[in-house]
Amino acid sequence: DGGITQSPKYLFRKEGQNVTLSCEQNLNHDAMYWYRQDPGQGLRLIYYSQIVNDFQKGDIAEGYSVSREKKESFPLTVTSAQKNPTAFYLCASSTIGGQPQHFGDGTRLSIL
Amino acid sequence: QQQVKQSPQSLIVQKGGISIINCAYENTAFDYFPWYQQFPGKGPALLIAIRPDVSEKKEGRFTISFNKSAKQFSLHIMDSQPGDSATYFCAAMTLHGSSNTGKLIFGQGTTLQVKP
Repeated sequence: DGGITQSPKYLFRKEGQNVTLSCEQNLNHDAMYWYRQDPGQGLRLIYYSQIVNDFQKGDIAEGYSVSREKKESFPLTVTSAQKNPTAFYLCASSTIGGQPQHFGDGTRLSIL
Repeated sequence: QQQVKQSPQSLIVQKGGISIINCAYENTAFDYFPWYQQFPGKGPALLIAIRPDVSEKKEGRFTISFNKSAKQFSLHIMDSQPGDSATYFCAAMTLHGSSNTGKLIFGQGTTLQVKP
């Protein structure tokens, strides 16, 4: 079945540690997105990519980094510079500039 | 101007009742307004969407009402069921033209509980 796979489902980070969240899609979508979800704040865009080897900052990119080396993959690294990383992270994809966005089932990141 | 404001934050409805969630926007360049449904521990899934050239769109028990002049749109869930208990997000974006960045702007979300 076509879809978006995020892994791991749960992730724990120690202070000062970088962690990488995986996002893979087999929908043949050009565009991919990373969102952060906190209670009562909706979804906030971290980074997005409309084509391989290109990506743009979203509204809350500080403390995060991404790469887009393959069309199917858009990993997100939460760096030690992100002081409040505890959140639910969602990856999505869509056709270029199009809708709808299809979402994965998220990764919940917590601090040890 | 990029914000989408959603209300209420939470909603409790009896089974069989009508659930109504409202959203308002400022950016008149927005031309695509989807609603997403999210169950706990899952990613959001598209429920229904509307373009501003129509005032209403219905799919089963779900209806979007759109008021372009007021820059408001709402989701109505008729005959609400316990299985509808979830978090609902409205969103908006500019789909066409050079302003299209592919970015969806989400409302803050509404947690709906339908009591049996």
